[in-house]
Amino acid sequence: RKEVEQDPGPFNVPEGATVAFNCTYSNSASQSFFWYRQDCRKEPKLLMSVYSSGNEDGRFTAQLNRASQYISLLIRDSKLSDSATYLCVVRVADSGNTPLVFGKGTRLSVIA
Amino acid sequence: EPEVTQTPSHQVTQMGQEVILRCVPISNHLYFYWYRQILGQKVEFLVSFYNNEISEKSEIFDDQFSVERPDGSNFTLKIRSTKLEDSAMYFCASSDAGQGGTEAFFGQGTRLTVV
Repeated sequence: RKEVEQDPGPFNVPEGATVAFNCTYSNSASQSFFWYRQDCRKEPKLLMSVYSSGNEDGRFTAQLNRASQYISLLIRDSKLSDSATYLCVVRVADSGNTPLVFGKGTRLSVIA
Repeated sequence: EPEVTQTPSHQVTQMGQEVILRCVPISNHLYFYWYRQILGQKVEFLVSFYNNEISEKSEIFDDQFSVERPDGSNFTLKIRSTKLEDSAMYFCASSDAGQGGTEAFFGQGTRLTVV
C-alpha cells in the first residue's frame, strides 16, 4: 500500500480557473502535513504547511481531514506560473529526526 | 533569503567509482537530510543527521553510503562504489529545530549520472 497517494494528472486548466488536488496517506500516526511544489528538474519548494483547522495563503487553501486521512489543496485564479508538480508530503512525528514521506506528485499545466 | 547550496550541480562518474556530494545547509539549522529522486519517480528519504550523528536512515542507505559533517558548515554524502541504479537527483535539505523541525528546505540538487 502506497504511503502517500496522489492523482498524477496532468491537470490542464485555463488561466483564472480554480483547481483542486487531493492526497491520501496511509499512516494514521502522521503528524505533520505539507504541500511542496516542484518545477521540472528542480528542487521541491515548500508551498505551505497544512493545519488541522485548514489554512489559506493568498490564492492557496489547504485542508486536512484526519479521520479520512485526506489532504487537499485548492488553487484559485490560476496563473501560468502555477504550472508545476504539486507534492503532498507527510511526516509521522513532529520532529526533525523523522523523514518526510513524499507522494509522487500531481502535475498542473495552466494554459493561456 | 538563506538557502541550502549544493555542489556540484551535475556529476558524471563511472560505475564503481566513489563520489562525494557536498552541501552547505542553512546556517542556523540543526537537522540535515539527504533525499534522492530517480527520474520520473517520487522523492525518497535517505538519511537524517542531527547532533553529529545519523538519527534515521532508510533501506536505500546501505553500507555503500555515508554522511559526514567535516566542519561547521559542510554536510557531505559519499557513495563508495557507485552503481548504475544510483543515477538520480540527490537533494540535501535542512530544518530548524526551533520551529519544531517540521519544515525542510531543499538545495537545488546534484544530478548524479553513473555510466
